[in-house]
Amino acid sequence: NAGVTQTPKFQVLKTGQSMTLQCAQDMNHNSMYWYRQDPGMGLRLIYYSASEGTTDKGEVPNGYNVSRLNKREFSLRLESAAPSQTSVYFCASSASVEQYFGPGTRLTVT
Amino acid sequence: GENVEQHPSTLSVQEGDSAVIKCTYSDSASNYFPWYKQELGKGPQLIIDIRSNVGEKKDQRIAVTLNKTAKHFSLHITETQPEDSAVYFCAASRGGSYIPTFGRGTSLIVHP
Repeated sequence: NAGVTQTPKFQVLKTGQSMTLQCAQDMNHNSMYWYRQDPGMGLRLIYYSASEGTTDKGEVPNGYNVSRLNKREFSLRLESAAPSQTSVYFCASSASVEQYFGPGTRLTVT
Repeated sequence: GENVEQHPSTLSVQEGDSAVIKCTYSDSASNYFPWYKQELGKGPQLIIDIRSNVGEKKDQRIAVTLNKTAKHFSLHITETQPEDSAVYFCAASRGGSYIPTFGRGTSLIVHP
C-alpha cells in the first residue's frame, strides 16, 4: 500500500498562474481532506470531501477549488495564485477518526 | 466552532528527560482527541488518541490524559530520545464529524 500520495512535491508559481495539486489514496477511505500548513499556524482545513460526490468548505477555502474525481482521488486547484498561498499543502484521508496524511507539496508563489 | 490552544510552541529537553505538551479546547461536545507527530519533511502521523469516556491512555513511553471538566488534555513522553524530536499536534473533534480542529503545534527538540 502506498497510502496517500501527492504530486508534485515542490512547485514554484508566479502570481496569477494556475495549478492543480493531485492527491490519491489506496486505502478505500470515504473521506478526504486538504490542509495548508504555515509556520506557527498549525494545520488549517481548506476543503474536505466526506464521500465521493460531495465537497465542503473548511476554515480557509478562499482562492481554492476542489474536485473529488472518484473515491481515490481528490484534487486542489489554485485558479490565480497569490503570494499568500505560499505554504505546504497536505492531503489526508480517513475511514473514521484517524487521518492518514500524504507527504505534502511545498508551494511557493512569487 | 471549536478552538484548540496548544502550549508550549517550542520545548527543548535533554535525552532521558520527560516532556509534557498541553492543549485546551472550547467545545464541550468534542469527544475525540488525537495527537499527531510530524517529522521533518513528512506528513503528520497519529501516535496516540483518547476518547472522552477515558481519563488516561498509555502506549509504552507516551501517555495522554484528559480532563473533561477543565477541557484540557496533555501528551506525556517519558525517557525522551533524539528520535522523539519532531513537531507534535493535538486536535479535537466531535463524534459523527471526522473533522478535527488542530492546535498550532509544539516543536520538541531532544538534545543527546
